Amino acid sequence: GQNIDQPTEMTATEGAIVQINCTYQTSGFNGLFWYQQHAGEAPTFLSYNVLDGLEEKGRFSSFLSRSKGYSYLLLKELQMKDSASYLCAVTQSSGGSYIPTFGRGTSLIVHP
Amino acid sequence: SAVISQKPSRDICQRGTSLTIQCQVDSQVTMMFWYRQQPGQSLTLIATANQGSEATYESGFVIDKFPISRPNLTFSTLTVSNMSPEDSSIYLCSDPTRETQYFGPGTRLLVL
Repeated sequence: GQNIDQPTEMTATEGAIVQINCTYQTSGFNGLFWYQQHAGEAPTFLSYNVLDGLEEKGRFSSFLSRSKGYSYLLLKELQMKDSASYLCAVTQSSGGSYIPTFGRGTSLIVHP
Repeated sequence: SAVISQKPSRDICQRGTSLTIQCQVDSQVTMMFWYRQQPGQSLTLIATANQGSEATYESGFVIDKFPISRPNLTFSTLTVSNMSPEDSSIYLCSDPTRETQYFGPGTRLLVL
């Protein structure tokens, strides 16, 4: 089975930097997704890490350490619109598709 | 990027009735995933819809409750049968054959 752990809730100030951690235990690890989900909406893809290291996309960066079973999502220059739930999902490769298991999500609240 | 649409976007249903949710993808895909997201929870995979064969259900989900059709490579339906208030959730379909794991906009179901 898979075990994915991320904090339930975080708060941060507009303009600041926040790091959302995700730890996992799984067999047959293929990669790790980060999604953003605003209330009442479907998840939106942010990043997909397969190899160790940091990947940067504008204000968002994602890091993966396969040996440690650890990832984080780094959000810089926080904006009010970044208030959302951030979902970590671990994938196992199966026949060309990527079967993800989602964590419970981290609710990020950005305040002025 | 994939374009995935779902119908209906939301519905309010009476217990004991059934609702069929449609998912349309703009390109041919071998497999499609169906997820459920109960209030305040993360996404749970219900089943994988395979074209030309029966759907593959995850533990805790059965065909009698969630029958799935997959008549072609761009379309699938999920039926929520004999509904109870516990079935109130967001139901999402996704295209798992791309690393970005695109989701449809979701169907918000409330069962009274």
